[in-house]
Formats: sequence, structure tokens, C-alpha cells
Amino acid sequence: SQQGEEDPQALSIQEGENATMNCSYKTSINNLQWYRQNSGRGLVHLILIRSNEREKHSGRLRVTLDTSKKSSSLLITASRAADTASYFCATDQTSGSRLTFGEGTQLTVNP
Amino acid sequence: GAVVSQHPSRVICKSGTSVKIECRSLDFQATTMFWYRQFPKKSLMLMATSNEGSKATYEQGVEKDKFLINHASLTLSTLTVTSAHPEDSSFYICSALLESYEQYFGPGTRLTVT
Repeated sequence: SQQGEEDPQALSIQEGENATMNCSYKTSINNLQWYRQNSGRGLVHLILIRSNEREKHSGRLRVTLDTSKKSSSLLITASRAADTASYFCATDQTSGSRLTFGEGTQLTVNP
Repeated sequence: GAVVSQHPSRVICKSGTSVKIECRSLDFQATTMFWYRQFPKKSLMLMATSNEGSKATYEQGVEKDKFLINHASLTLSTLTVTSAHPEDSSFYICSALLESYEQYFGPGTRLTVT
């Protein structure tokens, strides 16, 4: 069953602004990952953060993880119109096991 | 990076027929692949875990006789939707597991049952 919840469900911003998306989960996890999906396409892996990590950076992406609150956030800085997509978090309880996806955030970046 | 392909990308079939969707890992071997289903504007729901050389493990509520999974080689898993009905119309996505935790996703297959 899906355990992840994301907010907001939809986010619309202007190019250049930062976008923050949040994800909460219910059980203990091993890893948390963020994925991006363009409409009607497959998923692209963005970043993985392990349960013993608190923050991770990759280019314009910054991910935080708070295991005490069972939550994570994805920050996209200096957004571009090309960042328009759905963003999903996914957790696994043990390495290599099934992923449980959040409901996703639809991000629209207006030029 | 690791590449996973799916074929076909789109398929339209008539009610009552069966449809096979292929998932291939192109540049790595995957003993484990996963099949997901996604409804419009919704998240991915795991249907089953496909293990090379053994039976697939289905999630609760997924009919194994309806969604046949075969993982006959380390680079290919197939999902066959049997006796398809309009409610089976959906976006089906597979992923292949590389090493211990990296799942690489295919581009998805849009199934429309008329």
C-alpha cells in the first residue's frame, strides 16, 4: 500500500524562483529517493538519500531527510521551465526491496 | 547510465484479447524487475516483483491469473494482460534493479482497451 504523502499536490511558480516539495512516510526506511516524471513518460532518478544522512546536494537539487519526523523535502533552486514535471518520493525498507511511492507533486514553472 | 526499455510504448487492443508488454535491461543484468501501474495524475502502484527463474511475487489485490509475469532471462521480463477489459487501460511501467538499491525505470507502456 502507498505510504507516502506529498505536499503540495500542485505547485506553480515563476522561472527563477525556488520550488520546495515535501514528502512524509509512515514506517522506518532504509533509503528515500526522489524521481521526476514528465507527462506520459517514465521516471528519472534524481537523488537518493540514506536513512543516516540528513542532507544531500546534486546540482540545483537539495534534499533533506528528517527521520524523527519521517519527512523529506526536495528543493529545486533557480527553477527553469524545463523543470515542469511531476516529482515523486519513494522509500524502501530494505535495500533492493520494493519501493513505495508518494502521491507526487505536479510542478509547473512558468516562463 | 543503466537503460531499461519497454515495448510497445503504446498499444490499443479489443476487449477480451491479451496483450504482452516487454521490459528489457539493455546494458546490465537484472535478477529482479518490478511492474507498476499508474492511473492518470496518480502515483505508481507496485503490481508485482519479477524474479529471474522463479515465480513473481504479486502485491495484495493484484490478480496473478490476470497479469501474467515471466522473467525468463536476466535481461527480460514480460507482463501479459490476459482477457483485457477497459478497466485495465492504464500506464504500465517496469523497473530493473541494479545492484542493491538502484531501480532504473522503463519509459512506460500506455495500454488502451476498447
